[in-house]
Amino acid sequence: DQQVKQNSPSLSVQEGRISILNCDYTNSMFDYFLWYKKYPAEGPTFLISISSIKDKNEDGRFTVFLNKSAKHLSLHIVPSQPGDSAVYFCAARVYGKLTFGQGTILTVHP
Amino acid sequence: ETGVTQSPTHLIKTRGQQVTLRCSSQSGHNTVSWYQQALGQGPQFIFQYYREEENGRGNFPPRFSGLQFPNYSSELNVNALELDDSALYLCASSSGTVTYEQYFGPGTRLTVT
Repeated sequence: DQQVKQNSPSLSVQEGRISILNCDYTNSMFDYFLWYKKYPAEGPTFLISISSIKDKNEDGRFTVFLNKSAKHLSLHIVPSQPGDSAVYFCAARVYGKLTFGQGTILTVHP
Repeated sequence: ETGVTQSPTHLIKTRGQQVTLRCSSQSGHNTVSWYQQALGQGPQFIFQYYREEENGRGNFPPRFSGLQFPNYSSELNVNALELDDSALYLCASSSGTVTYEQYFGPGTRLTVT
């Protein structure tokens, strides 16, 4: 039972363009949604989060949008930089526990 | 401030054996969560420890067990290893169980042959 899904295994964008990573969920009880970034041989690093009562949260080049009716969230990176190339995981929290999606490999080409 | 550390980095075990993985949480953090990340998948929640007590468990069999010590470091023990236990094991520490922000260690890569 995959409660959090990232349907795109990979995404390739040009430097300077927008990267949009998507995530769908099924559990209406999730109260927080998070994005993590993971480089090879490192643990996931927290990037940005959004409460279930909000629809947008912005932090520098990163913006997360939440559409509760569609049970969908997205991460926008503008402008994308080569250093953003990594695996991105969305995660959702309920009762203090995180459920992760499968991840999307983002490659930003110079 | 010291981050989350895990040991060992890599480990190779034989099916049926037992393994212990270790995690030192970030300074000031009293909660440790363990995750299993299979190849091509996201981390899957195994269990969480808060102040030395198990505080929630994911869909893993009892042969996965853990401990948290008074200094908040933690161990993950897996008995009767199976080939499917081959994965990256991640621990994450946080300050309390309510906070959403967890800080991950680099993981231990376990290979079961």
